Amino acid sequence: AQSVSQHNHHVILSEAASLELGCNYSYGGTVNLFWYVQYPGQHLQLLLKYFSGDPLVKGIKGFEAEFIKSKFSFNLRKPSVQWSDTAEYFCAVSSREVNTGNQFYFGTGTSLTVIP
Amino acid sequence: KAGVTQTPRYLIKTRGQQVTLSCSPISGHRSVSWYQQTPGQGLQFLFEYFSETQRNKGNFPGRFSGRQFSNSRSEMNVSTLELGDSALYLCASSFYGLVTGELFFGEGSRLTVL
Repeated sequence: AQSVSQHNHHVILSEAASLELGCNYSYGGTVNLFWYVQYPGQHLQLLLKYFSGDPLVKGIKGFEAEFIKSKFSFNLRKPSVQWSDTAEYFCAVSSREVNTGNQFYFGTGTSLTVIP
Repeated sequence: KAGVTQTPRYLIKTRGQQVTLSCSPISGHRSVSWYQQTPGQGLQFLFEYFSETQRNKGNFPGRFSGRQFSNSRSEMNVSTLELGDSALYLCASSFYGLVTGELFFGEGSRLTVL
């Protein structure tokens, strides 16, 4: 089975610090990549997505992610975090597989706490 | 527009019972997918329905089943409940579907199995 790995389970940063959350996936075929965010008390929502083209994608609230195919990675970045970025971040991968059809895999999530 | 609605929000069952969860997607969305979220396993994909047909399926036993109605509302059923089925069950709707579409999530149904 395919997998999505998020290396950091808990990250604590001060406001204005830079953020990079790692995400690696194991599938070797064609994939679509996503980052979802869950703010405290809210439901999951899409932060950004990559399907094809420019490997550097920009999402909402100043977030961006870079797809590096050779490294099977899709890391999330933000140059300067704010207290309001405190949330749980999930990397996700969708893939088209021969035997089981389309699959959707989430990483286990990274909890980000931003200290004012 | 209204978001994804899941009912019930909380429920408690005992081992061996069965449970049915409901999901009403955003109007116009034909895809509904279901996920199980637990502290140990994270978010795991159960299945996706599109226009009343199960289009994709994750790696869960046959005790987990679902269906979708003509109005795109979906139900998920778990039979012969086990303690390990305790989890938050999320559904998500999408206009284009699982692979290429943005998923809009509901708040989830929290199931506790005693």
